[in-house]
Amino acid sequence: GAGVSQTPSNKVTEKGKYVELRCDPISGHTALYWYRQSLGQGPEFLIYFQGTGAADDSGLPNDRFFAVRPEGSVSTLKIQRTERGDSAVYLCASSLGGRVEETQYFGPGTRLLVL
Amino acid sequence: AQTVTQSQPEMSVQEAETVTLSCTYDTSENNYYLFWYKQPPSRQMILVIRQEAYKQQNATENRFSVNFQKAAKSFSLKISDSQLGDTAMYFCAFPSGGNNNDMRFGAGTRLTVKP
Repeated sequence: GAGVSQTPSNKVTEKGKYVELRCDPISGHTALYWYRQSLGQGPEFLIYFQGTGAADDSGLPNDRFFAVRPEGSVSTLKIQRTERGDSAVYLCASSLGGRVEETQYFGPGTRLLVL
Repeated sequence: AQTVTQSQPEMSVQEAETVTLSCTYDTSENNYYLFWYKQPPSRQMILVIRQEAYKQQNATENRFSVNFQKAAKSFSLKISDSQLGDTAMYFCAFPSGGNNNDMRFGAGTRLTVKP
């Protein structure tokens, strides 16, 4: 079946604006993860959903970041009052059941540039 | 704190030769999983190989194998018969521990396979 998809591929916005990034996981995967990857770095964990609920949001950097997964499938990462330091690639991943040993399947990412 | 260290920012290898990428980590867990992910220029992260810490036998997937030294907390990746398509960023990663699914990634090693 189809892999994890993310839209948009690229997003350019101005400082202070609001953005939404979308993730479509693999069908049937109950676990969904968001990561942020800054230039030259490894991905950094943001939040993990098990079904509709955020099981672990300890990686969200501050209250400007919020994510939802209302129907247990598609997820949206929302960033309010964007800052230049938010510029990064935002990666989404999904896994079948959320067990720690499972493969996480990644999307191609959304490259966010805040001017 | 759970940490992952990749001490080789860049490496290169001639096509058909063998290369080893290093990774060390720190964890207080006794049973855990370790992963190597590959991120080609297209940006989509792909699982290369996985190792279960309680298994003494090193994992192997075709041309990819690991050298897992649990006491030394070392988890290196060996790529045999390197191919041009192996050119990518390689990340060592493991779940943060317990029931937490947030994956901790190293900073990555950029591997270039030369013709």
